[in-house]
Amino acid sequence: SQQGEEDPQALSIQEGENATMNCSYKTSINNLQWYRQNSGRGLVHLILIRSNEREKHSGRLRVTLDTSKKSSSLLITASRAADTASYFCATMKTSYDKVIFGPGTSLSVIP
Amino acid sequence: NAGVTQTPKFRVLKTGQSMTLLCAQDMNHEYMYWYRQDPGMGLRLIHYSVGEGTTAKGEVPDGYNVSRLKKQNFLLGLESAAPSQTSVYFCASSYPIAGVLVEQYFGPGTRLTVT
Repeated sequence: SQQGEEDPQALSIQEGENATMNCSYKTSINNLQWYRQNSGRGLVHLILIRSNEREKHSGRLRVTLDTSKKSSSLLITASRAADTASYFCATMKTSYDKVIFGPGTSLSVIP
Repeated sequence: NAGVTQTPKFRVLKTGQSMTLLCAQDMNHEYMYWYRQDPGMGLRLIHYSVGEGTTAKGEVPDGYNVSRLKKQNFLLGLESAAPSQTSVYFCASSYPIAGVLVEQYFGPGTRLTVT
């Protein structure tokens, strides 16, 4: 079964609003990564957070990790129409393990 | 740098036909991966390689074979295509920093339809 599960499956917001996506996983991890996929394109890496980190920022992105709850959240602040995409969380159990992806959250940002 | 490239971009096969998907990366990455993406399923790992001449099975390896004869290339083969293999296939590569694998770099994908 998949390691990561995103919630919600789909999210629609107005431009300028914040978007929050959640990811839950089942086993202990070394790190958790978030990726973005625009329609018809490959995935692009957004941010990586290690198991000993609790929060990380990159531009308008904020990722949190709660290893006790086995969950992570991705916050996109002041969303733009260009943020419309699918967002995936991916986990690695060990530092050299394969990456396991969740089913993704489809985000629509309405201008 | 071209990054990760995939050939072909689209392909239609009849059931039972064979084909090879080519992935090439020019970033000198040790690790390479093949995924398939189906609606609502996210990406599922088919096979991966941790270095030239090595391959390993992922989550859904049945019906596929791979080879990594050169560090920059990772080939995915379908010996006898089935309609269940209709999907979008993505190749990715990665490398370690201080002993930990970091982000994966993805190719643009190959859309395969098996009729």
